[in-house]
Amino acid sequence: ELKVEQNPLFLSMQEGKNYTIYCNYSTTSDRLYWYRQDPGKSLESLFVLLSNGAVKQEGRLMASLDTKARLSTLHITAAVHDLSATYFCAVDGASGSRLTFGEGTQLTVNP
Amino acid sequence: KAGVTQTPRYLIKTRGQQVTLSCSPISGHRSVSWYQQTPGQGLQFLFEYFSETQRNKGNFPGRFSGRQFSNSRSEMNVSTLELGDSALYLCASMETQYFGPGTRLLVL
Repeated sequence: ELKVEQNPLFLSMQEGKNYTIYCNYSTTSDRLYWYRQDPGKSLESLFVLLSNGAVKQEGRLMASLDTKARLSTLHITAAVHDLSATYFCAVDGASGSRLTFGEGTQLTVNP
Repeated sequence: KAGVTQTPRYLIKTRGQQVTLSCSPISGHRSVSWYQQTPGQGLQFLFEYFSETQRNKGNFPGRFSGRQFSNSRSEMNVSTLELGDSALYLCASMETQYFGPGTRLLVL
């Protein structure tokens, strides 16, 4: 059974600081996704990582994938309050579109 | 292109009732996946449909069922509602990158 673990689960940081969220998964996977969720809202797709060594960046967020270590990271650079949200990683471990999600990391950026 | 649409957005039901939720994927997309999100269990996969065929199913009781129509619109049905079915139900279109706004179900 595929398991996905994120850490930390809760992250409180100051504006301007850098931090990394980690996502570990237990079995070989074809694709890894990062999503953002604001309170009461749906999931917004941030990144799709398709191969070992993949790195994608959008604004202050950068995601990377190491398939050998079964590890993905979401790095936040110079955080701003607007980044406050819950971030999920999800892994597609089989053919089709079945995702297994991590528990989510609740990020709070304080002024 | 219009995004993924889900109806209704909010729903209140009582225990024992049944409910039907609808999801229309992005135009031209043929795959629809359903997920349940609760504070206790997180995001869990319900089922996936592709070209009217169920391709994957999660670990949910038989009270949860779904179907897909020839126009790719999908419905999920929950019979004999329980309090624990209160959740945000999300559907995703094609490659699971695109999620709809969700249907928030409250069972009283």
